[in-house]
Amino acid sequence: SQQGEEDPQALSIQEGENATMNCSYKTSINNLQWYRQNSGRGLVHLILIRSNEREKHSGRLRVTLDTSKKSSSLLITASRAADTASYFCATDAIYRDDKIIFGKGTRLHILP
Amino acid sequence: DTEVTQTPKHLVMGMTNKKSLKCEQHMGHRAMYWYKQKAKKPPELMFVYSYEKLSINESVPSRFSPECPNSSLLNLHLHALQPEDSALYLCASSQVLAADIGVGDTQYFGPGTRLTVL
Repeated sequence: SQQGEEDPQALSIQEGENATMNCSYKTSINNLQWYRQNSGRGLVHLILIRSNEREKHSGRLRVTLDTSKKSSSLLITASRAADTASYFCATDAIYRDDKIIFGKGTRLHILP
Repeated sequence: DTEVTQTPKHLVMGMTNKKSLKCEQHMGHRAMYWYKQKAKKPPELMFVYSYEKLSINESVPSRFSPECPNSSLLNLHLHALQPEDSALYLCASSQVLAADIGVGDTQYFGPGTRLTVL
């Protein structure tokens, strides 16, 4: 069953602009992670934010978590062509027996 | 070494064939996972192993048979597959399962095996 839902499903922006993706989920979570996947390849872990954290930074990435709204956002600043990829949020829900459930993903395309 | 390797990269098989996918990690992780991913869809969990024991089977058909011969290796044996089983099969590992430490753990993914069933 789907836990996370990202929006938008697809996003095209100019290189240098900021990209924002959102994730909403349904049940209480232990933590939320963001992963990146280049076309047809494995997923790369970007950042993990725990349920008691509200914001986290890693390089050009900024993640926020609002547990009251059951939502998270991923901001990529000063986008680059290499940021073109699909981005998935993944939630580790309480009582889900060690599974992480991936959202549908946002396909980000950085235009030169 | 923070790499998860998967072989083969590509596999084409007929519905009567028997083949195996292999996954290997040398990070000392004790949890390993198999996922199936169709085009433009998120990965779907198939199996989870913890300390070489099967922890989760997500009601996967018996034509998929996982095996964890040791803490570094994870296999997925395939037999009598259907064309709809064609997908990218991803292996992942994490230090331990979330339940063991009370919080979630980062999963490290391999590049996947692109499987085509004819």
